[in-house]
Amino acid sequence: QVQLQESGAGLVKPSGTLSLTCAVSGTSITTSNWWTWVRQSPGKGLEWIGEIYHTANVNYNQSLGSRVTISVDKSKNQFSLNLNSVTAADTAIYYCTAKRCCNWYFEVWGRGALVTVSA
Amino acid sequence: EIVLTQSPATLSLSPGERATLSCWASQSLDSYLAWYQQKPGQAPRLVIYDASKRATGIPARFSGSGSGTDFTLTISNLEPEDFAIYYCQQRRSLVSFGGGTKVEI
Repeated sequence: QVQLQESGAGLVKPSGTLSLTCAVSGTSITTSNWWTWVRQSPGKGLEWIGEIYHTANVNYNQSLGSRVTISVDKSKNQFSLNLNSVTAADTAIYYCTAKRCCNWYFEVWGRGALVTVSA
Repeated sequence: EIVLTQSPATLSLSPGERATLSCWASQSLDSYLAWYQQKPGQAPRLVIYDASKRATGIPARFSGSGSGTDFTLTISNLEPEDFAIYYCQQRRSLVSFGGGTKVEI
C-alpha cells in the first residue's frame, strides 16, 4: 500500500528556511495524485500549505504568500517543501499527504514531522 | 478562499450516545466535503468523503449528510474509540479545513 514518510531538520532558526522531504513508497509519484503538505501548530487545527502534481503544476495557500515552494523529484520518488523567512508561528507538525485518484481526498498520510523555529 | 466553520467546538457525550457535528461553508461546495478523525499523536484519518460516503474500513455508525453550504457528521451509538477531534475539509476550490470539533467524554 502507499506509504509516506517525512524527513528533514527538526529545528530551524528564525528567518531561516524550513526544508522537508516526503518519501513515497508503494506507488510511483507520477501516478494521478496531488502530493500535499498540511501543517498543524501545537494544539491547533489543520492548515493546508499546498500541493503539487508530478507535472510540476502547483497550488499554494495564499496566506503563506511567496514563502512556500513545493517541488517533486521523480528520480527519487519524493516531493519536498521549502518555507523561507520562518518565524515562531511556523512551528508545527508538518504532514505530507496526497489527494489520490479518484475520490481526491486525503486517504494516506505520513506520520508527521515536528519542526520547531527557535534560536 | 472558502472558509469552513465547525460547531460546536466541543461536544461532551457518553458512550452509547449520538454525536451530531456541523460544518458550514462560506460558499457552495456541492458535495465536495470530507470529514477526518484525529486522535492525539496521530495523523488525521479520512472518515467520510463526498459528504456522505464512508471511507474504507469506517464503521456504519458514522454517517454524513448535506450539500451546498450545510453539512453534518453523525456518529450513532458512540464507542470509546470515537472520542477524538473531527475536522471537515473542502475540495471545491483548492483545499481548506474547518477549525475542528472535539468529541469528549
